[in-house]
Amino acid sequence: EAGVTQSPTHLIKTRGQQATLRCSPISGHTSVYWYQQALGLGLQFLLWYDEGEERNRGNFPPRFSGRQFPNYSSELNVNALELEDSALYLCASSLPTGDSEQYFGPGTRLTVT
Amino acid sequence: QKEVEQNSGPLSVPEGAIASLNCTYSDRGSQSFFWYRQYSGKSPELIMFIYSNGDKEDGRFTAQLNKASQYVSLLIRDSQPSDSATYLCAVRGRWGGKLIFGQGTELSVKP
Repeated sequence: EAGVTQSPTHLIKTRGQQATLRCSPISGHTSVYWYQQALGLGLQFLLWYDEGEERNRGNFPPRFSGRQFPNYSSELNVNALELEDSALYLCASSLPTGDSEQYFGPGTRLTVT
Repeated sequence: QKEVEQNSGPLSVPEGAIASLNCTYSDRGSQSFFWYRQYSGKSPELIMFIYSNGDKEDGRFTAQLNKASQYVSLLIRDSQPSDSATYLCAVRGRWGGKLIFGQGTELSVKP
């Protein structure tokens, strides 16, 4: 069974630009979660989508946004990039309940110069 | 007080020994507890989850949960050099959904 997939693997952007990151969940999983892992800050929760709806949002500014498509894949958009947005962005998926285990994709390494 | 706390390590154990990793959490209403392993440059891999008080064993791994003490641990028996990684403790709160992660404990298993 295929795991969570993310694209691109690496992304290099300039400060002020926009970045779009994509995630496809495990088949049968309808919940998608986005996390940021920045150096020295650990894994921080960004967003949770389920059945196309945003269920919860972490303590991040509004320039971090996303959406979930009818096929349950998801997109994370980061506008007006800042240098401190450089991090590994991880997508995880789980079964619909919101109480089940989360499985991570390989991540997208975003570098802002 | 951090929501989820782990000793950052590094924790160094000889090959074949038992590695013991510990985690405490602040929200008494937390429902679910997870251990992820993360190799350098890779994404976290789920290795254990536990929802009820007590022990849960899977191969060389044992997760232990004590909700009264707000404490969860991971034991790795017969540690191997391939177990060398950062171990992340994650807790799901009473409202479900998001996971709150500790800073991780770096484990080094010496041959």
